[in-house]
Amino acid sequence: EVQLVQSGAEVKKPGESLRISCKASGYSFTSYWINWVRQMPGKGLEWMGRIDPGDSYTNYSPSFQGHVTISADKSITTAYLQWTSLKASDSAIYYCARPGSPYDSSAYPDYWGQGTLVTVSS
Amino acid sequence: DIHMTQSPSTLSASVGDRVTITCRASQSISNRLAWYQQKPGRAPKLLIYKASTLESGVPSRFSGSGSGAEFTLTISSLQPDDLATYYCQQYNTYWAFGQGTKVEIK
Repeated sequence: EVQLVQSGAEVKKPGESLRISCKASGYSFTSYWINWVRQMPGKGLEWMGRIDPGDSYTNYSPSFQGHVTISADKSITTAYLQWTSLKASDSAIYYCARPGSPYDSSAYPDYWGQGTLVTVSS
Repeated sequence: DIHMTQSPSTLSASVGDRVTITCRASQSISNRLAWYQQKPGRAPKLLIYKASTLESGVPSRFSGSGSGAEFTLTISSLQPDDLATYYCQQYNTYWAFGQGTKVEIK
């Protein structure tokens, strides 16, 4: 069974660093890209970027380039989303999601993680 | 970047009503469009992909149409369980989502 299991909720202060994770199981981790999607409180879905776990090649949305870092460790089939200096505006739910085809890096997502709530407040 | 615009932002309808949501892309995306349903506190659930293909297990009252840059999601007979926010998503070039349509039951 394909599963994407994300790390738990985080409460951080502005300026702190953070890394959240997405543990994949039930499929060949290196065959499918992992994408990250943000959902701010009461708002819509925003694509942040993606990673090819096979070679760690990444693409970012211009809106998020330089603000976050996406990485992966194929030895433990886990993808990460990282901030070096959080802002209050980073408070959101973050989802990882997998495209439905190993041959189409942009395919629609067929599996989603459960989401990680990040709260940044002084 | 491809920008997706949904309308309306909110709609209120009665049980049994036919409901239509429109999604427009800023450029042609062929049929590389998906529709999702999201309920509070839950991850999005795939309803339709390739603009008109119903995901397995999704009730047949949901249907999608369109190609190029204009698409619609139709709920043929609104049910109480359909209370949710609906998003379109293009997957022609990376991913981009519409801003969402909140469906309320009168």
